[in-house]
Amino acid sequence: DGGITQSPKYLFRKEGQNVTLSCEQNLNHDAMYWYRQDPGQGLRLIYYSQIVNDFQKGDIAEGYSVSREKKESFPLTVTSAQKNPTAFYLCASSLYSNYGYTFGSGTRLTVV
Amino acid sequence: GESVGLHLPTLSVQEGDNSIINCAYSNSASDYFIWYKQESGKGPQFIIDIRSNMDKRQGQRVTVLLNKTVKHLSLQIAATQPGDSAVYFCAENNDNQGGKLIFGQGTELSVKP
Repeated sequence: DGGITQSPKYLFRKEGQNVTLSCEQNLNHDAMYWYRQDPGQGLRLIYYSQIVNDFQKGDIAEGYSVSREKKESFPLTVTSAQKNPTAFYLCASSLYSNYGYTFGSGTRLTVV
Repeated sequence: GESVGLHLPTLSVQEGDNSIINCAYSNSASDYFIWYKQESGKGPQFIIDIRSNMDKRQGQRVTVLLNKTVKHLSLQIAATQPGDSAVYFCAENNDNQGGKLIFGQGTELSVKP
């Protein structure tokens, strides 16, 4: 079955550590996106990529980094520069511009 | 600036009743709209979409209405069931946004048995 897979489902980070969230899709979608969701709030765009080897900052990119070396994969690194990383992170993909997204099941990141 | 917002942050309905969730958008250039359902701890799921050349689209138990004159979008759920309890997001897009959807705040729908 085609879909978008995020891992891990839960992730715990110590202060000062970098962590990487995985996002893989087998939908042959060109575009991929990372969103952050805080409790009771909407989705805020962190980074997005419309083609391989290219990506753009979203609204809240500070403290995050991404790569897009393969069409199927768009990992997100939460760096130590992100001062409040505890949140629910959602990855999405779309076939191309002006189409809907398919979302992954999310990764809940907690700083301990 | 661009924004997509919802009139009601919470909505409580009785099982079997119809639900209506509203959404206002501010960008008149938006030409594609989507409703997503998000259950607790899960990723949003696509419910239904509509393009600006239509004013109504129906799915299974759901209907989306688009009023471009007042920049208003609504989601109607017929015969609401307990499994419909979730947060519902509207999202808008247009060619000027490079494929990025703009999401609304979300409305939490609670269905009483």
